[in-house]
Amino acid sequence: AQSVTQLGSHVSVSEGALVLLRCNYSSSVPPYLFWYVQYPNQGLQLLLKYTSAATLVKGINGFEAEFKKSETSFHLTKPSAHMSDAAEYFCAVSDQTGGGNKLTFGTGTQLKVEL
Amino acid sequence: DSGVTQTPKHLITATGQRVTLRCSPRSGDLSVYWYQQSLDQGLQFLIQYYNGEERAKGNILERFSAQQFPDLHSELNLSSLELGDSALYFCASSRTSETYNEQFFGPGTRLTVL
Repeated sequence: AQSVTQLGSHVSVSEGALVLLRCNYSSSVPPYLFWYVQYPNQGLQLLLKYTSAATLVKGINGFEAEFKKSETSFHLTKPSAHMSDAAEYFCAVSDQTGGGNKLTFGTGTQLKVEL
Repeated sequence: DSGVTQTPKHLITATGQRVTLRCSPRSGDLSVYWYQQSLDQGLQFLIQYYNGEERAKGNILERFSAQQFPDLHSELNLSSLELGDSALYFCASSRTSETYNEQFFGPGTRLTVL
């Protein structure tokens, strides 16, 4: 079965600093990977997805992620953090084990942006 | 706004009771998914329906059941509720059942079991 691991349950950055949220995947087949963001008391919003078309994926709100097969990683980055980026971020892999199309999520990373 | 709607937004009930959560997918989406989000378990996949048929099952308890109706809306039924069932329940939808299809999430139903 496919799985993802998010390193760091809490990340704190200063406004204007680089944001780096880590995600490593485990998959026996080429994975489809996703990053979602969850603002307080809201549902999950898709930031970006990797479906093997390009290794560098650009998403919404200035976020991007790079798929690195050699490192089994799909880290999320943003060059300059904004206060509005404070939220919880989830990495997910599409898992067809057992049929269907379920998302298996990481444990999430809470991003705090400080002035 | 993802286009996925869920009702009710909040639900407070007692142990042993039964509740029904409702989800309407985005227009044109055929697949519906249910997820549970809790502090101790994180985000867990429960079940998927595609065009009215069950397609995949995750860690869904026997006390829980779901269905997708001909108009494609879905309901998640939770019975004999326990304190540990308190969680945020999300519905998501996607165009098809292909793995590259992104899933769009609703705002969730927060269930509190007292």
